[in-house]
Amino acid sequence: KAGVTQTPRYLIKTRGQQVTLSCSPISGHRSVSWYQQTPGQGLQFLFEYFSETQRNKGNFPGRFSGRQFSNSRSEMNVSTLELGDSALYLCASSPMPLAGGETQYFGPGTRLLVL
Amino acid sequence: AQSVAQPEDQVNVAEGNPLTVKCTYSVSGNPYLFWYVQYPNRGLQFLLKYITGDNLVKGSYGFEAEFNKSQTSFHLKKPSALVSDSALYFCAVRDSSYNTDKLIFGTGTRLQVFP
Repeated sequence: KAGVTQTPRYLIKTRGQQVTLSCSPISGHRSVSWYQQTPGQGLQFLFEYFSETQRNKGNFPGRFSGRQFSNSRSEMNVSTLELGDSALYLCASSPMPLAGGETQYFGPGTRLLVL
Repeated sequence: AQSVAQPEDQVNVAEGNPLTVKCTYSVSGNPYLFWYVQYPNRGLQFLLKYITGDNLVKGSYGFEAEFNKSQTSFHLKKPSALVSDSALYFCAVRDSSYNTDKLIFGTGTRLQVFP
């Protein structure tokens, strides 16, 4: 079974631009979560989607948004990019949400550099 | 609030020796605990989890972890380390407080196995 895939793998943007990252979960997985990883803040939860609905949201500004499609693929969007948005963005999928003790499986990440 | 701590930034061990990577947690209720490993420029790979049941959990690549409720610890162990085990290890706990449901990660422990 193919793992979680994320595209693109690398991105370079300039301040003020916007960016869209894509995540395809493992086949059959309906829950998708996004995390931001930086050297200073570590791994931080962005949001979780299940059945096309955002279930949970982390403590990030409204510039960070996401959505999930009927095939469970998910996208996240960051508008008005700031230098501090430079990070590795990780997508994780699971069959169901965490509440059931599910395991989240992570993709390779998208490394975003904001100049 | 739920939290997880990894008290060691780095652990050094000789190949063939046993290794331990420490993790302590603070949660209300029963904890869901996870260990992940991250290799350079890669996403997180799931190693093992504790939801309920036996305190000794066996996972991938010969790793195991012991859940200790009285010490609120979930240390990762391996009887005989390999050079290829050198990577960044993250402990995580499920946080279901404040109407959210997400993983909270420790700051990570870099494991260096010397030949």
